[in-house]
Amino acid sequence: TQLLEQSPQFLSIQEGENLTVYCNSSSVFSSLQWYRQEPGEGPVLLVTVVTGGEVKKLKRLTFQFGDARKDSSLHITAAQPGDTGLYLCAGSTGNQFYFGTGTSLTVIP
Amino acid sequence: NAGVMQNPRHLVRRRGQEARLRCSPMKGHSHVYWYRQLPEEGLKFMVYLQKENIIDESGMPKERFSAEFPKEGPSILRIQQVVRGDSAAYFCASSPLASNQPQHFGDGTRLSIL
Repeated sequence: TQLLEQSPQFLSIQEGENLTVYCNSSSVFSSLQWYRQEPGEGPVLLVTVVTGGEVKKLKRLTFQFGDARKDSSLHITAAQPGDTGLYLCAGSTGNQFYFGTGTSLTVIP
Repeated sequence: NAGVMQNPRHLVRRRGQEARLRCSPMKGHSHVYWYRQLPEEGLKFMVYLQKENIIDESGMPKERFSAEFPKEGPSILRIQQVVRGDSAAYFCASSPLASNQPQHFGDGTRLSIL
């Protein structure tokens, strides 16, 4: 059973375009994290959201936690080739920590 | 500023051998997590440990796999009698407090079974 579903699974866009990645669940999470992973490396934490409806911005990246704390989105404005990587959401509930299925993003120069 | 250190980075074993993967958490972190990842996939939780205790091993196969986090030294993920299907990247993460805190990852061990 996969608690966190991400969409799309694969995304290939041109440099300068905008994109949104979704992380959905039927479960409520006490917090949710977004990670970015490059080939051959471990995931790197981008942001943590805790409050329902919370919005956090990290340069061209905007993260939103759903009001019900069941879902989240990551929006990238004017994507650059350096944004290429695997984006993972992860949610915690009680003593458990679950990772999403991942979105593989390729930004073409 | 030492992060989570995993070694070896690459490990090659023949079928039937044992694989030992080591993880030193970030300084001050007492919670360690092991994950397995196949190419182009997300992370699959295996086991969560605190010093000298296994807190949750629900994601770890019952046979051939074991994990420990001794009072002194790194956490060890041990795979006995490896099979081809064990080939994957194994990541370790650590956090300072409870399991609902953000985790910091090492760069993984790529295990290849010949």
